Amino acid sequence: DIQMTQSHSTLSASVGDRVTITCRASQSISSWLAWYQQKPGKAPKLLIYKTSTLESGVPSRFSGSGSGTEFHLTISSLQPDDFATYYCQQYNTYSWTFGQGTKVEIK
Amino acid sequence: QVQLRESGPGLVKPSGTLSLTCTVSGGSISRDYWSWIRQPPEKGLEWIGYVYHSGTTNHNPSLKSRVTISVDTSKNQFSLKLSYVTTADTAVYYCARASGNKWFAFDSWGQGALVSVSS
Repeated sequence: DIQMTQSHSTLSASVGDRVTITCRASQSISSWLAWYQQKPGKAPKLLIYKTSTLESGVPSRFSGSGSGTEFHLTISSLQPDDFATYYCQQYNTYSWTFGQGTKVEIK
Repeated sequence: QVQLRESGPGLVKPSGTLSLTCTVSGGSISRDYWSWIRQPPEKGLEWIGYVYHSGTTNHNPSLKSRVTISVDTSKNQFSLKLSYVTTADTAVYYCARASGNKWFAFDSWGQGALVSVSS
């Protein structure tokens, strides 16, 4: 099974900061990587798929990069609505795995 | 815009079977890939398994053989059964669509159903 590890469980940041969240896969997953945002009591929301393709309606301050085993989600200028938990997710041959999540909190 | 809604009992006794149904509206279940995902309180997301309209399934090996996922295309529904539950199976259970057009990312989710395992 492919394991996904997010570098930080929590990140503290301020409005306007550039924030980068890192996710590593236990083996190469090419570009089969997606990112989600989840707020308390809500279902996750797809932000990015295929490593760097922005889902329709997602603000352009979100971007994704990486390949193989290391991937990044960047928020270029953190907004109040962005304080949430972010999950990476890989897909491989009809099997999916999520990272453990990174909570972005107010510094 | 496809919508998903989970339904089923919110309380299951230990050693019993958890049963949930996801009803899909606004689109056909006869395309894309349909999954169950769960989230224990204050914890992360865990993929449980998926079903395709043909009935093909796969599930998370960590759940061993406790998982059964099925599809009813005539009702545009798919279902989850998780047997021999323990308190560790207490979680919010989500149904979700993995879109082939979006590299199997989950682009539509239900609102989630809290299932508690308790005697």
